[in-house]
Amino acid sequence: ETGVTQTPRHLVMGMTNKKSLKCEQHLGHNAMYWYKQSAKKPLELMFVYSLEERVENNSVPSRFSPECPNSSHLFLHLHTLQPEDSALYLCASSQGLGLDEQYFGPGTRLTVT
Amino acid sequence: AQKVTQAQTEISVVEKEDVTLDCVYETRDTTYYLFWYKQPPSGELVFLIRRNSFDEQNEISGRYSWNFQKSTSSFNFTITASQVVDSAVYFCALSEDTWSGSARQLTFGSGTQLTVLP
Repeated sequence: ETGVTQTPRHLVMGMTNKKSLKCEQHLGHNAMYWYKQSAKKPLELMFVYSLEERVENNSVPSRFSPECPNSSHLFLHLHTLQPEDSALYLCASSQGLGLDEQYFGPGTRLTVT
Repeated sequence: AQKVTQAQTEISVVEKEDVTLDCVYETRDTTYYLFWYKQPPSGELVFLIRRNSFDEQNEISGRYSWNFQKSTSSFNFTITASQVVDSAVYFCALSEDTWSGSARQLTFGSGTQLTVLP
């Protein structure tokens, strides 16, 4: 596979469930990102990882927990979500943390019921 | 703080028409990068172009062209002879040279939904 892949593509979960989103990049990049895209709103950066270390956490509620076990994989663990957390969650990667372009995965469409 | 404004929420054109998507940005930095991304219905954002603040030359890539004007803080995107496959949401984004926290952040505009009708 090439590029950035995300699984699952669609997820429906209840507010008491625990689930995880997975992202994998095959580009040899060193930085990975989680974004949230809600309807009618700009993309919101959630987390940034560089060489498996978290370097940015944009005031994201603790019910979202990221994990980066290596530079190719990024997870977003979800628990006790709210309906307003329903959105498209996009993963991206870039060569470095500088001004490099980011490459995005297809996203996970999350619906919280 | 950096900000990107895409005032056009939705645009519809008929195939083969030219269309320009507007992008206006705000930044205090003298060094920054501007980007355009395309988001087709499949969801993933596709990188189209990156320009740095010191290069005001317009760029053309096939049917795509970009007009960077520092004097008006604009980075507009034109598609000539539009095609149905160009239908997507297009995002303009800005990254400053200064660090916010521990990383440079990419600030996106709210996007322009382009629909090209056959």
